[in-house]
Amino acid sequence: AQSVAQPEDQVNVAEGNPLTVKCTYSVSGNPYLFWYVQYPNRGLQFLLKYITGDNLVKGSYGFEAEFNKSQTSFHLKKPSALVSDSALYFCAVRDMVGSNSGYALNFGKGTSLLVTP
Amino acid sequence: DTGVSQNPRHKITKRGQNVTFRCDPISEHNRLYWYRQTLGQGPEFLTYFQNEAQLEKSRLLSDRFSAERPKGSFSTLEIQRTEQGDSAMYLCASSRDRGPEQYFGPGTRLTVT
Repeated sequence: AQSVAQPEDQVNVAEGNPLTVKCTYSVSGNPYLFWYVQYPNRGLQFLLKYITGDNLVKGSYGFEAEFNKSQTSFHLKKPSALVSDSALYFCAVRDMVGSNSGYALNFGKGTSLLVTP
Repeated sequence: DTGVSQNPRHKITKRGQNVTFRCDPISEHNRLYWYRQTLGQGPEFLTYFQNEAQLEKSRLLSDRFSAERPKGSFSTLEIQRTEQGDSAMYLCASSRDRGPEQYFGPGTRLTVT
């Protein structure tokens, strides 16, 4: 079974400070890992993915994420937060070996990020 | 790349009525997915199409739910005899064969009264 855990319901950070949103995963094989962002009353927007290769993945809007296999983590980071980054962030996982039942993404519960001026 | 579109954006219905939602994926995407999202939760997988073939259905998809993707283009999700527990955001996503990332539409928010 595949699953992700986002241990923080909410993260608060001051504008200009670095931010981290945590995610840990569980998957039987090698994972595909994703971060999505959701603004109010909107669908999910793809931020970045990890498939293989460099453990530090860069994505949209200045976000990056670090894959750590030994800790089974995929934390989302940004060096300097903006007020406009305030949104709901979802981590998702999929087993790399696709099958008829293997293409669905398994999402965490989400972390609400609040960036204050 | 015009993005995934979903209609309607909002639907209010009375318990027991049938509703149908439509999803138009990104044009070159062969794979199409339906998810359901309730308040405070991440999206939960409902069903998946490869072209016109429905290859996987979640246990969340009771027999009151049916999905189709005729000719491998747009898809519809129908809920028969709606219940208050069906109230949720229904999200559609699509992807290419070789790209694992999925692109989501804006969702259809269903309220069952």
